[in-house]
Amino acid sequence: QSVLTQPPSVSAAPGQKVTISCSGSSSNIGNNYVSWYQQLPGTAPKLLIYENNKRPSGIPDRFSGSKSGTSATLGITGLQTGDEADYYCGTWDSSGWVFGGGTKLTVL
Amino acid sequence: QVQLVQSGAEVKKPGASVKVSCKASGYTFTSYGISWVRQAPGQGLEWMGWISAYNGNTNYAQKLQGRVTMTTDTSTSTAYMELRSLRSDDTAVYYCARVWYSILPKRIDPWGQGTLVTVSS
Repeated sequence: QSVLTQPPSVSAAPGQKVTISCSGSSSNIGNNYVSWYQQLPGTAPKLLIYENNKRPSGIPDRFSGSKSGTSATLGITGLQTGDEADYYCGTWDSSGWVFGGGTKLTVL
Repeated sequence: QVQLVQSGAEVKKPGASVKVSCKASGYTFTSYGISWVRQAPGQGLEWMGWISAYNGNTNYAQKLQGRVTMTTDTSTSTAYMELRSLRSDDTAVYYCARVWYSILPKRIDPWGQGTLVTVSS
């Protein structure tokens, strides 16, 4: 049972938009920065969003992040088949870093 | 470019120890931390802890306290993670990753390629 709650799966058609939620509490999301990670099949996770809504160099602006209170959201527009992956939110919580349980994105 | 290269796969018997290395390049090693994250087969990411490469301070996940030790060698820009008293449920891919922090970690990037540790009798 993860401290951060994500939907197990989401799906959408190519070209469409999808959002992935990450729900926490005041001890984690409510008082710390949220980051998002993409894990393509068989590969190491990769940073997509940091400090709630910033994109590292090289990450396309199709990916966006937001935070409100104790929840955060990852948005992906213009879905591509190459976006099929597991997505994880992460943040600091009291005494350690925590990840969400992960959301599997299927591009139909 | 920033790169973290981990040591190769390991097979260990229950009760043994494993030590995984993570060599960093392309940045000032002591300006960041190193975190270790593991992923059991078919499961999500589990944070194990992190170490400041600046002063060696560590913070371990509560469930691993007493079994895990994280260290760094600043002369070679290499981080190490040792896990003792291995059990079958320690079978996982172990990742190291650079930690960006001020007082607390803010983000984890980039990640090493992962090291598969298999615990089996």
